[in-house]
Amino acid sequence: TQLLEQSPQFLSIQEGENLTVYCNSSSVFSSLQWYRQEPGEGPVLLVTVVTGGEVKKLKRLTFQFGDARKDSSLHITAAQPGDTGLYLCAVCNFGNEKLTFGTGTRLTIIP
Amino acid sequence: EPEVTQTPSHQVTQMGQEVILRCVPISNHLYFYWYRQILGQKVEFLVSFYNNEISEKSEIFDDQFSVERPDGSNFTLKIRSTKLEDSAMYFCASSTRAPRETQYFGPGTRLLVL
Repeated sequence: TQLLEQSPQFLSIQEGENLTVYCNSSSVFSSLQWYRQEPGEGPVLLVTVVTGGEVKKLKRLTFQFGDARKDSSLHITAAQPGDTGLYLCAVCNFGNEKLTFGTGTRLTIIP
Repeated sequence: EPEVTQTPSHQVTQMGQEVILRCVPISNHLYFYWYRQILGQKVEFLVSFYNNEISEKSEIFDDQFSVERPDGSNFTLKIRSTKLEDSAMYFCASSTRAPRETQYFGPGTRLLVL
């Protein structure tokens, strides 16, 4: 069973600051997804990346898939209180159907 | 925008009782999934379902669990004899096709076994 490590586990920063969170593994993935989860709700998809080196932007969020398809980062510019939540990466391995989730980064943006 | 829906949102049951959790996947999706999340832990895969049969299951999905697509829209998870450790959020998800397609998650059912 591959392990997805997310770092940091917790992050609390002031509104307006920039931040980067990471998702790492020793395995190669066919695709990687980032989700945000609010308390008591299901994960909501932010982005899917499938190509090594791929960069996708979603407003102030920038997602990058590592060249070797083993890791990913999420960068948030000018963080806002609405960005507060649990950020999860998840991978779907070659030939499998299940998503394996990371440990999550709990982000708090302080107004 | 189409979304996955789940009912009930909350379920409280006594240990040993049977529960059925219901999901309505996105209408043109072909693959269906159940995941669970014990409080404070990671989201864990339970089972995937395609073409009216289980296509993959985890070690968590033992004989007390079963899934069914009784009609063209609903997808259910049955737990036959609930245990205290079954208390968790249960999420249904669906995708157009696997393994590289995005899975869309429902809001979850919070199950509490007393």
